[in-house]
Amino acid sequence: GQQLNQSPQSMFIQEGEDVSMNCTSSSIFNTWLWYKQEPGEGPVLLIALYKAGELTSNGRLTAQFGITRKDSFLNISASIPSDVGIYFCAGYVHQGAQKLVFGQGTRLTINP
Amino acid sequence: KAGVTQTPRYLIKTRGQQVTLSCSPISGHRSVSWYQQTPGQGLQFLFEYFSETQRNKGNFPGRFSGRQFSNSRSEMNVSTLELGDSALYLCASSPMGQASTDTQYFGPGTRLTVL
Repeated sequence: GQQLNQSPQSMFIQEGEDVSMNCTSSSIFNTWLWYKQEPGEGPVLLIALYKAGELTSNGRLTAQFGITRKDSFLNISASIPSDVGIYFCAGYVHQGAQKLVFGQGTRLTINP
Repeated sequence: KAGVTQTPRYLIKTRGQQVTLSCSPISGHRSVSWYQQTPGQGLQFLFEYFSETQRNKGNFPGRFSGRQFSNSRSEMNVSTLELGDSALYLCASSPMGQASTDTQYFGPGTRLTVL
């Protein structure tokens, strides 16, 4: 089945550093989503990308939908302690199908 | 608007039992999807309901079933529980369930432990 390969699996950074993570797939995705999950909670949507090449920002977060529709990246600038959590990329394979495929997640740890 | 709510938040069952989990979507949302999250397999799609009909289904055995009511609330049921069913079960809702325009909003999940 369709898979999203997310990297890195974990990151340990200092507060204030920039963060970059990415997601790739062998299949084309029509929509890419980035979610953040904190302990004991469900994933919370950060950014949604609907068009190939689209670059979208949400505060300190920036995400891009790759031109080939097979990849996406998420950048976080000037990290702060509340950025700690697990970040997931996700995508819809087919138009009209609400079946999300998720990456394995990137666990972000920040040293103050 | 209230978010997606799931009950119960925590559940402990023994092998062989069955369990029913409940999800109330965001008001006005008609599509409800269910996901299983485990450390080994990550987040995996179970099924999606829209207008009381199952519209999409993932690769899970028939022990996993669900339904949706006319008010869009949804339940999922797992029969003959196995140890491997221990997981966080997440429910997500979206307005119309259109992948090209809608976004899924997740509830906090139900943590199921099977002993």
